[in-house]
Amino acid sequence: KQEVTQIPAALSVPEGENLVLNCSFTDSAIYNLQWFRQDPGKGLTSLLLIQSSQREQTSGRLNASLDKSSGRSTLYIAASQPGDSATYLCAVRHGGSQGNLIFGKGTKLSVKP
Amino acid sequence: GAVVSQHPSRVICKSGTSVKIECRSLDFQATTMFWYRQFPKKSLMLMATSNEGSKATYEQGVEKDKFLINHASLTLSTLTVTSAHPEDSSFYICSASGPGPPPPHGYTFGSGTRLTVV
Repeated sequence: KQEVTQIPAALSVPEGENLVLNCSFTDSAIYNLQWFRQDPGKGLTSLLLIQSSQREQTSGRLNASLDKSSGRSTLYIAASQPGDSATYLCAVRHGGSQGNLIFGKGTKLSVKP
Repeated sequence: GAVVSQHPSRVICKSGTSVKIECRSLDFQATTMFWYRQFPKKSLMLMATSNEGSKATYEQGVEKDKFLINHASLTLSTLTVTSAHPEDSSFYICSASGPGPPPPHGYTFGSGTRLTVV
């Protein structure tokens, strides 16, 4: 059974710092991996999607890496801003392109001005 | 493109009543809908997967008679929580996919519904 773990559960950093969020999964047979952002009481915003054949994806200040064989992904946020404060969720997709997502519990990020 | 509208965003209901949550795909045909729920400080958990025109497939431990899912059209799926109890209070969110592989940013999620049963 696939399990997704995110470390740390919470993180507080001063504005301007670079930071790394970690995600690990137990079954490397994934179709893709996705990072989301969730603001309190809100839905999910997709940040980056990495196909199983890819090693990384970049969007602006965000960079996500994937090491499928070791069951790990990282989300790197450069020059953090208070507006980055949110919960970041990692999810892996099984069962091909139509499969469901299995989520980690998330990392709650707080960026202090 | 690929917008999913979910409502209501918040609902408070009395124990024993039923609540319907709607999820609509606005600019694409959603052949598959996924319904998730999220308890505080817990992961999003898949409840069921529905394909248009077919009965939903429920995950283990999810009561299909309590959580009724209807996916009668390619743009609308509904989740009805029947005979709601306080322990059904949670955040419910849908995700929709069209035919073929997912778009570059993955499947689209609705904005979620916060259900509180009093």
